[in-house]
Amino acid sequence: QQPVQSPQAVILREGEDAVINCSSSKALYSVHWYRQKHGEAPVFLMILLKGGEQKGHEKISASFNEKKQQSSLYLTASQLSYSGTYFCGTGLNTGNQFYFGTGTSLTVIP
Amino acid sequence: NAGVTQTPKFRILKIGQSMTLQCTQDMNHNYMYWYRQDPGMGLKLIYYSVGAGITDKGEVPNGYNVSRSTTEDFPLRLELAAPSQTSVYFCASSWWEPPEAFFGQGTRLTVV
Repeated sequence: QQPVQSPQAVILREGEDAVINCSSSKALYSVHWYRQKHGEAPVFLMILLKGGEQKGHEKISASFNEKKQQSSLYLTASQLSYSGTYFCGTGLNTGNQFYFGTGTSLTVIP
Repeated sequence: NAGVTQTPKFRILKIGQSMTLQCTQDMNHNYMYWYRQDPGMGLKLIYYSVGAGITDKGEVPNGYNVSRSTTEDFPLRLELAAPSQTSVYFCASSWWEPPEAFFGQGTRLTVV
């Protein structure tokens, strides 16, 4: 039930863009995105609910395609502070559980 | 606000020992979760609770137990610790499902 993320790792130069994908084999009710810095707890970025909406948060936005059970996180004009591991979390149509993906390591270099 | 507080931050256990990881939240959240995170891996759900007196298993519940006697507290009990339980444990809470989850700072557990 764990969603699959791609790519596993990406290295960017400051100012470049990146896309992180999250895919589930189960019908989704919600998708959540978190960022975790090394040695710290995950921090919530945004949540998307059924309805295919797109959300934005500064230069980070995300989309949710419930038919394809996929979500994508878009990072534009990346900054050094964007470095970390990004996790998607998926809430299923049934039950109260939500599961985290395997993570995407993002490194932004000067 | 303190948010979600986990104790201890670090612990070394010997094989076969038991311990309780404490988790307390002061946000009056109904939902609470325990995750484990192995090196370089994502978070795996161990147990969760949707309110006081109600708990349920997640993906990897074997070797663990939980209780939820109050809204604030959600302790995780490890019985007969094994090396496979070496991990970082995160507690999280949220208002409802689907949640914006708030995480504690984690407990780094090593079983030797």
